[in-house]
Amino acid sequence: GQQVMQIPQYQHVQEGEDFTTYCNSSTTLSNIQWYKQRPGGHPVFLIQLVKSGEVKKQKRLTFQFGEAKKNSSLHITATQTTDVGTYFCIRAGNNRKLIWGLGTSLAVNP
Amino acid sequence: EAQVTQNPRYLITVTGKKLTVTCSQNMNHEYMSWYRQDPGLGLRQIYYSMNVEVTDKGDVPEGYKVSRKEKRNFPLILESPSPNQTSLYFCASSLRASFNNEQFFGPGTRLTVL
Repeated sequence: GQQVMQIPQYQHVQEGEDFTTYCNSSTTLSNIQWYKQRPGGHPVFLIQLVKSGEVKKQKRLTFQFGEAKKNSSLHITATQTTDVGTYFCIRAGNNRKLIWGLGTSLAVNP
Repeated sequence: EAQVTQNPRYLITVTGKKLTVTCSQNMNHEYMSWYRQDPGLGLRQIYYSMNVEVTDKGDVPEGYKVSRKEKRNFPLILESPSPNQTSLYFCASSLRASFNNEQFFGPGTRLTVL
């Protein structure tokens, strides 16, 4: 129902390669947020997407919200070792609850 | 400096011994929340609070209590901890209760219940 599915669960890339993680929902989302958690750290807010088809960029990171507002993606161009961590998407649930995807863990080989 | 603080950062305790994990924010945020993070299960919301004296259950509230007597503090209470509550706990806050606000997280509390 309200869950968000994130794929892949893990991704191992060579430094300089691109990386993409996807967040999918069976129901329409009002908006979606992305967070990054470094190993041993706490989640840190990256971005929020609200509009259908929205695309936002932060340096090498590109975030997209699907036209139907049921999926979202995060793409990193030319990964660096500083990109290592777990990337989470979250959605709003009923009654102000927040529902997190299980995350995509990214490892980068130097 | 705007921040969310949690104490203690690490705690090893025994089954049944009541404990409290404190959480405090200095940003005058209305919304505060507790999560637990377990391998393979991601972050799961335990309790949240939309403002002073307003708290509500998240997805995994069993075995936990919270209170929100002041805006800045949101302690998590384990009345009778059990080994299945061994986890990494995060407190978070945001300006408002709506989903349009960024959440700020504390550094985490690693709890082990023997």
